Amino acid sequence: QSVLTQPPSASGTPGQRVTISCSGSSSNIGDNNVHWYQHLPGTAPKLLIYINGQRPSGVPDRFSGSKSGTSASLAISGLQSEDEAEYYCATWDDSLNGQVFGGGTKLSVL
Amino acid sequence: QVQLVESGGGVVQPGRSLRLSCAASGFTFSTYGMHWVRQTPGKGLEWVALISYAGSDKYHADSVKGRFTISRDNSKNTLYLQMNSLRAEDTAVYYCAKDRSGGGIGGMDVWGLGTTVTVSS
Repeated sequence: QSVLTQPPSASGTPGQRVTISCSGSSSNIGDNNVHWYQHLPGTAPKLLIYINGQRPSGVPDRFSGSKSGTSASLAISGLQSEDEAEYYCATWDDSLNGQVFGGGTKLSVL
Repeated sequence: QVQLVESGGGVVQPGRSLRLSCAASGFTFSTYGMHWVRQTPGKGLEWVALISYAGSDKYHADSVKGRFTISRDNSKNTLYLQMNSLRAEDTAVYYCAKDRSGGGIGGMDVWGLGTTVTVSS
């Protein structure tokens, strides 16, 4: 059981906007930056968002991130079929003295 | 191009040891923190360990503390994970990942394709 809580699944139709939440505590999200990763089966995970809302070069601006207090969220607008993947939030946890990942959210594009 | 290539995985009996390697190329390896992350079958990503750019700071997940040790050789551009006293629950695909920062909390922006470790008698 992760210290970061994500919904196990999310879904949307092409063109829609979906949001994935990540809930933590004062020792992790409340005190540290949040990063988001996209993972397709059989491939290497990909950094989507770093430091709460920054996009690496090459990541479409359809992907955005935000953080407030002890929670963070990833928004995907203009949903596309290739967005179907597992999404993970991650941050540092001061109490555990290590990185932590959320449990992951499987996004389905209907 | 920027690349990480893991090696050293395989099938090993419970209680035995294994050492994973991760060869880095295309960037100044000695400048960045490096991580090991694993994914067990049917489960999510689990952070395993972090080492700072110079190797002076090391952090391990509680699940592997005392059994696994992360290290690096900046002269060889290589990251290592020494895994001792392996258990069935260590069976996973192990990824090495480069951090955006030297300290290791900037986000993992480059990942290898992973190496599979299976612990079974």
